[in-house]
Amino acid sequence: SQKIEQNSEALNIQEGKTATLTCNYTNYSPAYLQWYRQDPGRGPVFLLLIRENEKEKRKERLKVTFDTTLKQSLFHITASQPADSATYLCALDYNQGGKLIFGQGTELSVKP
Amino acid sequence: KAGVTQTPRYLIKTRGQQVTLSCSPISGHRSVSWYQQTPGQGLQFLFEYFSETQRNKGNFPGRFSGRQFSNSRSEMNVSTLELGDSALYLCASSLAGTGMTEAFFGQGTRLTVV
Repeated sequence: SQKIEQNSEALNIQEGKTATLTCNYTNYSPAYLQWYRQDPGRGPVFLLLIRENEKEKRKERLKVTFDTTLKQSLFHITASQPADSATYLCALDYNQGGKLIFGQGTELSVKP
Repeated sequence: KAGVTQTPRYLIKTRGQQVTLSCSPISGHRSVSWYQQTPGQGLQFLFEYFSETQRNKGNFPGRFSGRQFSNSRSEMNVSTLELGDSALYLCASSLAGTGMTEAFFGQGTRLTVV
């Protein structure tokens, strides 16, 4: 079955540094990969979607890469701020339809 | 534009009872998906409805069921509740499906089974 692994459960970095989160997947070749942010007690919020034929996508301080050969996506937050502290979830589409398979998430903590 | 609305926000039920959760998607969205989130298992897909038809289903027992109405509103039902059903249930709406387009999640319904 499809499996997604996010590099670590928690990541602590200093304000102003770049946070890099990793998402690895196996047993599947998704057409789309998405990243979400989730704050405690709230639903996930969509950040970025990247297609299998796209290598990289950017949105303000966010950048995501998608390497279908390595079966890996990297998510970067540049010039990180304490307000970026949250859990970040990687998700793959399944069947190019309405099903998303989520990783366990990485809890990012940005210290001032 | 109103977001995804889930009701109720919190629910406490006893083992063996049944429960119905409701989700109102963003206007114009025809796809509604349901997910269960627990600390141990993370976010797990339950099912997805598109224009009143179930298109995808996750690996959950038949006690979990859902439906979608003609106005795209969706309900999820869990019968014969078990302690392990305690979780945050999230609904997400999207234009075409949560795989290929961005998904908008509701705040969730926190279900506690005692």
